[in-house]
Amino acid sequence: KQEVTQIPAALSVPEGENLVLNCSFTDSAIYNLQWFRQDPGKGLTSLLLIQSSQREQTSGRLNASLDKSSGRSTLYIAASQPGDSATYLCAVLHNAGNMLTFGGGTRLMVKP
Amino acid sequence: KAGVTQTPRYLIKTRGQQVTLSCSPISGHRSVSWYQQTPGQGLQFLFEYFSETQRNKGNFPGRFSGRQFSNSRSEMNVSTLELGDSALYLCASSLGSGFDIQYFGAGTRLSVL
Repeated sequence: KQEVTQIPAALSVPEGENLVLNCSFTDSAIYNLQWFRQDPGKGLTSLLLIQSSQREQTSGRLNASLDKSSGRSTLYIAASQPGDSATYLCAVLHNAGNMLTFGGGTRLMVKP
Repeated sequence: KAGVTQTPRYLIKTRGQQVTLSCSPISGHRSVSWYQQTPGQGLQFLFEYFSETQRNKGNFPGRFSGRQFSNSRSEMNVSTLELGDSALYLCASSLGSGFDIQYFGAGTRLSVL
């Protein structure tokens, strides 16, 4: 059974700092890994999708890496801003259907 | 292009009642998945429909059911509601290849009293 873990569960940083969020999964036979952002009481916003054959994806200040063999992914946020405050979730797709297995999330607070 | 639309946004029901939630996917998307989010269990997969057929099912009791229509719109039904069914229910749509981004709606917040 696929299990996804995110560390840390919560993180507080001052504005401008670069930070790394971690995601690990137990079964390396994945199709892809997706990072999402969730604001309180809202749905999920897709940030980055990394296919199993890729090593990283970049979008603006965000960079996600994937090491399938070790079962790890990281989300790097450069020059953090207060507007980045949210919960960040990683999810893996590990079968031919669209069943995502989610981690518990990292709650990020960026202080002005 | 309109995003994923879920209705209603909020629902209050009492134990024993049943409820139906609706999800309209992004135009052209054929896959709709449903998830339950609670503070204790996080996000858990309920089921996925692709071209009107249930393609995947999570580990939820039979009280949770769904269907998909020919226009790809999907409904989720929960019968005999329990207090523990209180949650944010999210649906996601995608093209359905398994390699594409899943786009989520804003969710339906269900409270069972």
